Amino acid sequence: DTGVSQNPRHKITKRGQNVTFRCDPISEHNRLYWYRQTLGQGPEFLTYFQNEAQLEKSRLLSDRFSAERPKGSFSTLEIQRTEQGDSAMYLCASSPRTGTGELFFGEGSRLTVL
Amino acid sequence: AQRVTQPEKLLSVFKGAPVELKCNYSYSGSPELFWYVQYSRQRLQLLLRHISRESIKGFTADLNKGETSFHLKKPFAQEEDSAMYYCALPPGGSQGNLIFGKGTKLSVKP
Repeated sequence: DTGVSQNPRHKITKRGQNVTFRCDPISEHNRLYWYRQTLGQGPEFLTYFQNEAQLEKSRLLSDRFSAERPKGSFSTLEIQRTEQGDSAMYLCASSPRTGTGELFFGEGSRLTVL
Repeated sequence: AQRVTQPEKLLSVFKGAPVELKCNYSYSGSPELFWYVQYSRQRLQLLLRHISRESIKGFTADLNKGETSFHLKKPFAQEEDSAMYYCALPPGGSQGNLIFGKGTKLSVKP
């Protein structure tokens, strides 16, 4: 499967712990996005990379959240000092720089904070 | 501010009936609108874009600038159409980043 890959698929953690999610985009895509989805809501934009540059961040991305894409390939999303409100599905998507604007999504990483 | 509104959380129809999933948007300028779909246990994927003006799996969507709507329609629903449907648009002309509506769950009964 050459689609967007995310891991872990599920993460259960205790409040206050740090968690990290990884996203491997489609190899020829230089744009990478992180979204968060909670129950009953559509995906909400968190941040966006073009190659290794983080070009846009949402206000949803508090100081406890940090995302990196060090070599312009895979990306990590780290949440420090998790809170119960962080429980959500974290979606990664990628797209080519020039294209139709279509985003290709991964299957998501579900976080449960106890 | 740009916004996408999907007024129905759930839409239930019988197989063979017409279906219309509503989407209204708030946007200054000429928007580019998308419909994404998520089938059970599958990833979110693009269904169609208004620019392409094509029919995908029997679905069409017409951009109505006067009513600021982009409703998704299919004349004869099939059971396999049961899924979550999300309307989306890119804010401020930004490439790629999308604002999604809350989604409508379509349930097609046999």
